[in-house]
Amino acid sequence: DTAVSQTPKYLVTQMGNDKSIKCEQNLGHDTMYWYKQDSKKFLKIMFSYNNKELIINETVPNRFSPKSPDKAHLNLHINSLELGDSAVYFCASSGGLAGDTGELFFGEGSRLTVL
Amino acid sequence: KQEVTQIPAALSVPEGENLVLNCSFTDSAIYNLQWFRQDPGKGLTSLLLIQSSQREQTSGRLNASLDKSSGRSTLYIAASQPGDSATYLCAPKGDSWGKLQFGAGTQVVVTP
Repeated sequence: DTAVSQTPKYLVTQMGNDKSIKCEQNLGHDTMYWYKQDSKKFLKIMFSYNNKELIINETVPNRFSPKSPDKAHLNLHINSLELGDSAVYFCASSGGLAGDTGELFFGEGSRLTVL
Repeated sequence: KQEVTQIPAALSVPEGENLVLNCSFTDSAIYNLQWFRQDPGKGLTSLLLIQSSQREQTSGRLNASLDKSSGRSTLYIAASQPGDSATYLCAPKGDSWGKLQFGAGTQVVVTP
């Protein structure tokens, strides 16, 4: 069973469109994250949710809107896509279990290409 | 703001050699530090997690040390294999909420 799963894995779309990426974790974790890896391979945090509440919101354009319907899911919706949004988006989860070490577990990533 | 530097940026070694990957960070007030591996076009695989109170962690051929006061961590990979070829990322965690700050990584190639 995949611990942190993201869909879709690949997404190609035109500038100006709206798209969503979904993430689900079956680890029973309380905290979920979105990270962005740009073309230079730098990984930066975008958002973090703990038990459906937003706890980290880095300097991200408000065209990006995360939504957490429950603690096992964290979706990312992007409005009015721009060329610079092309990147790989990673979902991750951690925490909330007895004896938790704080280790983060990542999904396989969703590669977004904006044309 | 936490800054993470990984040296070297790239490393190529023949199979069997030991690997030493260095990570330095500017803010020593960390909660823990995680080492990851990333294969091309793939996600991140967690290798080792060191809590801020620990000096080292070991898993098989991998050993990671942490010197929090000097802002350094080192990942040692013994007896390297071609399957160890990947990019290795170091990520200290600033607090219990889990904001990891990543370095740019060290790209490792192990030749048969």
